[in-house]
Amino acid sequence: NAGVTQTPKFRILKIGQSMTLQCAQDMNHNYMYWYRQDPGMGLKLIYYSVGAGITDKGEVPNGYNVSRSTTEDFPLRLELAAPSQTSVYFCASSDHGSGEPNYGYTFGSGTRLTVV
Amino acid sequence: GQNIDQPTEMTATEGAIVQINCTYQTSGFNGLFWYQQHAGEAPTFLSYNVLDGLEEKGRFSSFLSRSKGYSYLLLKELQMKDSASYLCAVREKAAGNKLTFGGGTRVLVKP
Repeated sequence: NAGVTQTPKFRILKIGQSMTLQCAQDMNHNYMYWYRQDPGMGLKLIYYSVGAGITDKGEVPNGYNVSRSTTEDFPLRLELAAPSQTSVYFCASSDHGSGEPNYGYTFGSGTRLTVV
Repeated sequence: GQNIDQPTEMTATEGAIVQINCTYQTSGFNGLFWYQQHAGEAPTFLSYNVLDGLEEKGRFSSFLSRSKGYSYLLLKELQMKDSASYLCAVREKAAGNKLTFGGGTRVLVKP
């Protein structure tokens, strides 16, 4: 059972470059999320999705885009990378309404991104 | 919106007890979570409270008072491996099952 898989684990981008952070889950969870975590800080929500074809902005969406064409995949796109986007990015999923008692998150292992 | 506060850092001795406090303000409370995060790793689920009172899970306990907007995580019989950050997160009654995280409390366990 792989859970939530994120790729790549590490990446260095130059200012102005673009990239896609991949996230896939194999638990048939309907809800998925992207968070960023700056050094010594908590997690801030970038975007989330409650199902295939449905996405919505979180707290810090500027500079990012997402899509959710399937239940399994939730890629995060960075256009025109900036140094302020240097961070660790976590993807997570949850299975709201499945009978799980607390609908907690399952996190991926993270992508460490540096923009120089 | 939500505002979640927790101390930045705490130090304790191996075998001792540490209590990490979390205060929150939210427009529609629907549960409070505690996560543990070791350096360079993803957060892992520790506990969940939605009703007032104490939830105990082995060496870890979590308490909630909804009227006070207050929770704490109690770590007993501290071990060196408990050195980590502890994140308090609140869920609102809104679409998306979204969690808002506090800044995390870094706990350092000394021998």
